[in-house]
Amino acid sequence: AQKVTQAQTEISVVEKEDVTLDCVYETRDTTYYLFWYKQPPSGELVFLIRRNSFDEQNEISGRYSWNFQKSTSSFNFTITASQVVDSAVYFCALSEGNFNKFYFGSGTKLNVKP
Amino acid sequence: KAGVTQTPRYLIKTRGQQVTLSCSPISGHRSVSWYQQTPGQGLQFLFEYFSETQRNKGNFPGRFSGRQFSNSRSEMNVSTLELGDSALYLCASSLADTSTDTQYFGPGTRLTVL
Repeated sequence: AQKVTQAQTEISVVEKEDVTLDCVYETRDTTYYLFWYKQPPSGELVFLIRRNSFDEQNEISGRYSWNFQKSTSSFNFTITASQVVDSAVYFCALSEGNFNKFYFGSGTKLNVKP
Repeated sequence: KAGVTQTPRYLIKTRGQQVTLSCSPISGHRSVSWYQQTPGQGLQFLFEYFSETQRNKGNFPGRFSGRQFSNSRSEMNVSTLELGDSALYLCASSLADTSTDTQYFGPGTRLTVL
């Protein structure tokens, strides 16, 4: 079974629209970490955010916000007022316990059109 | 601070050959992880090295091996290349002294097997 599911394969929006990328995870561990990465066409994965299982506080960073809900095993990512530069593939990842081993979702390709 | 560097950036090999990829982590990072990214399988964990020892391992055949040097630089080797080994190979480094930690990725090495 997939440990991280990103059901949205590709999303297209027009600039300035808000968009939410979904991430659902599965783990039996009580201690785990969740991450979001952005992969632009250049290929390099860029770290966006990290959350541990004991911190359900939502976070906002500029136009980016994250909603972590343990009750639904979800860690969703919202971009407000999207811009063309946000176009990329976004990955959600899970790491369990003390193992520095990431399980990645299949990614969501975001296309922001001008 | 310089980021993670990987060499070479591009490689073309033929079936049956072997290849060695190199990764230099962020200064001070002692953990280096390797991932394979393909369109079909997505991002998959290969292995992680910490202080010259393999600490975590993914589900890849023994043709995939790695090592880490005392300066934390790491190499990954793939022997007897197969067409299916064509992929983007990403290296990531982190502090991860005692547990999971944020991984910072390099630009990747794109390997093409003909």
